[in-house]
Amino acid sequence: KNEVEQSPQNLTAQEGEFITINCSYSVGISALHWLQQHPGGGIVSLFMLSSGKKKHGRLIATINIQEKHSSLHITASHPRDSAVYICAVRSLTGGGADGLTFGKGTHLIIQP
Amino acid sequence: DGGITQSPKYLFRKEGQNVTLSCEQNLNHDAMYWYRQDPGQGLRLIYYSQIVNDFQKGDIAEGYSVSREKKESFPLTVTSAQKNPTAFYLCASSILGMGEQYFGPGTRLTVT
Repeated sequence: KNEVEQSPQNLTAQEGEFITINCSYSVGISALHWLQQHPGGGIVSLFMLSSGKKKHGRLIATINIQEKHSSLHITASHPRDSAVYICAVRSLTGGGADGLTFGKGTHLIIQP
Repeated sequence: DGGITQSPKYLFRKEGQNVTLSCEQNLNHDAMYWYRQDPGQGLRLIYYSQIVNDFQKGDIAEGYSVSREKKESFPLTVTSAQKNPTAFYLCASSILGMGEQYFGPGTRLTVT
């Protein structure tokens, strides 16, 4: 079963700072997802990637398949970016029932 | 607008009662999922379905049951056999079970 570790667990930063959240996993994957969970509980999918880098607005996600590591970056952070960011992977061997294993999340707070 | 709806947002039940959580999607997705989220833990898969009238157990299916009579609907019943039912429940759907997952707003169930 794939083990997904996120760091840091909690992160507080000032508005405008560059944010990096890390995700590492133990077994080869077919895809990695970055999700955002708002205080009300709803989850939004930010990225799904299997190689390289993706960018959407101020968000950038990168993945290094050889090192089994992905990062989520937020440029020019804003208080509205405050949320829990969750990394999830789909294992090549189908670790969970549908192959998707979730990290515990990184709780990000951006202070004005 | 296409999306996933879950109702109700908050649900309170007495111990020993069965309760059914609703999940409806109009995205024409084949696959639907139920996850459970507890504080400090990653999402865990309860059940999933990739086609009408068929579903599979996830990692923590004990004490839960589902049905998939229509493509759009995937209700979850939390039975009295579930030892610790108080949690946040999230429904999701995706194309063919392998793509990006779209999440509903969640139902917070409290059993006392």
